[in-house]
Amino acid sequence: QSALTQPASVSGSPGQSITISCTGTSSDVGAYNYVSWYQQHPGKAPKLMIYDVSDRPSGVSNRFSGSKSGNTASLTISGLQAEDEADYYCSSYTSSSTLAVFGGGTKLTVL
Amino acid sequence: EVQLVESGGGLVKPGGSLRLSCAASGFTFSDYSMNWVRQAPGKGLEWVSSISSSSSFIYYADSVKGRFTVSRDNAKSSLYLQMNSLKAEDTAVYYCARGVGARTIDYWGQGTLVTVSS
Repeated sequence: QSALTQPASVSGSPGQSITISCTGTSSDVGAYNYVSWYQQHPGKAPKLMIYDVSDRPSGVSNRFSGSKSGNTASLTISGLQAEDEADYYCSSYTSSSTLAVFGGGTKLTVL
Repeated sequence: EVQLVESGGGLVKPGGSLRLSCAASGFTFSDYSMNWVRQAPGKGLEWVSSISSSSSFIYYADSVKGRFTVSRDNAKSSLYLQMNSLKAEDTAVYYCARGVGARTIDYWGQGTLVTVSS
């Protein structure tokens, strides 16, 4: 099962907006609205930021938003803050026998 | 508060075995599917295995199928991962994680490190 495709890195200045893409196939991202996004700071466990493509768990800032078009999902972070600097991973349910797949991760640098 | 605490990691030789455990608290364990996700040093997340709330449905990544076995004990609120025929490429931090069906993973433990080396 191939990983979902994410850019290796993105960057932005405080206050700006950035978007991270996550490209899959018609067997995962394109077929189901079960795309999630996770934030991981160095040495820490991942934290759920977005689920079901665009829903935010309680306590997650509304600066984080998700969307999907075809086989590509996207995470947008608006009003960038220093604490947003982290690795971000997408994941999707998949119709293959393996159930779930992650993206390779994107390192966000806040300049 | 949801808590997931992994244990059982350590150093093991190639071809060896190890059993990971995850103790859950703060929620009704028997209501949720559970997952193992791993992260090799400096690498990304890799989903390893999922088990449904009643153990009726079990899934594995192709990379571990036939070598790893996931199980749970709802009476003890515990999740397990039996890892056999370990390879160097299984070296990783292994996270126990709570699932919301197959939709998402909403809580993660802090992870336990497994190192496979001679």
